[in-house]
Amino acid sequence: AQSVSQHNHHVILSEAASLELGCNYSYGGTVNLFWYVQYPGQHLQLLLKYFSGDPLVKGIKGFEAEFIKSKFSFNLRKPSVQWSDTAEYFCAVNAKTSYDKVIFGPGTSLSVIP
Amino acid sequence: KAGVTQTPRYLIKTRGQQVTLSCSPISGHRSVSWYQQTPGQGLQFLFEYFSETQRNKGNFPGRFSGRQFSNSRSEMNVSTLELGDSALYLCASSADGTRNPNEQFFGPGTRLTVL
Repeated sequence: AQSVSQHNHHVILSEAASLELGCNYSYGGTVNLFWYVQYPGQHLQLLLKYFSGDPLVKGIKGFEAEFIKSKFSFNLRKPSVQWSDTAEYFCAVNAKTSYDKVIFGPGTSLSVIP
Repeated sequence: KAGVTQTPRYLIKTRGQQVTLSCSPISGHRSVSWYQQTPGQGLQFLFEYFSETQRNKGNFPGRFSGRQFSNSRSEMNVSTLELGDSALYLCASSADGTRNPNEQFFGPGTRLTVL
């Protein structure tokens, strides 16, 4: 069965610090990978996605993620966080053979201190 | 284009009752997925419908059921409510649900509280 793990449950950073949120998945086949963000009181929205091609993908708001197939990882990064990045971040995996069944990680809560 | 809409936004029920939640996908989207979000369990997949057929199902008891109509609108039903069913129920739609890459667009959710 597919599963997704996220390394940190809660991360606290000061503004301008660099961010890296870890995500690992377990599935032997070809996958699509996503990072979603949920700002306080708002809908879940897509930050970035990897389907194929360049394993380094850039998303909105200065976020990027790198797919390392050999490590089954898809870590999210941002060089300098802002207070407005305070949110819950979810890594998700969709095996290419199972249509739109998407498995989410448990989420990482990011708090950015001004 | 209007986004995914869910009704009602908030609902309070008592144990043993049943509830029906509604989701209208983005126009043209034929795939609708339902998720349960709780602080303890995170986001858990309930089921996915495509063209009125349930294609995928998560690990939830039979009290959780759903259906999809010909206009792609979907409903989710929970019977014999338990306290543990209190959660935010999210609906997400995607374009055609084939093996081609698709992203999901989420609705605002229905906050269900079971007393």
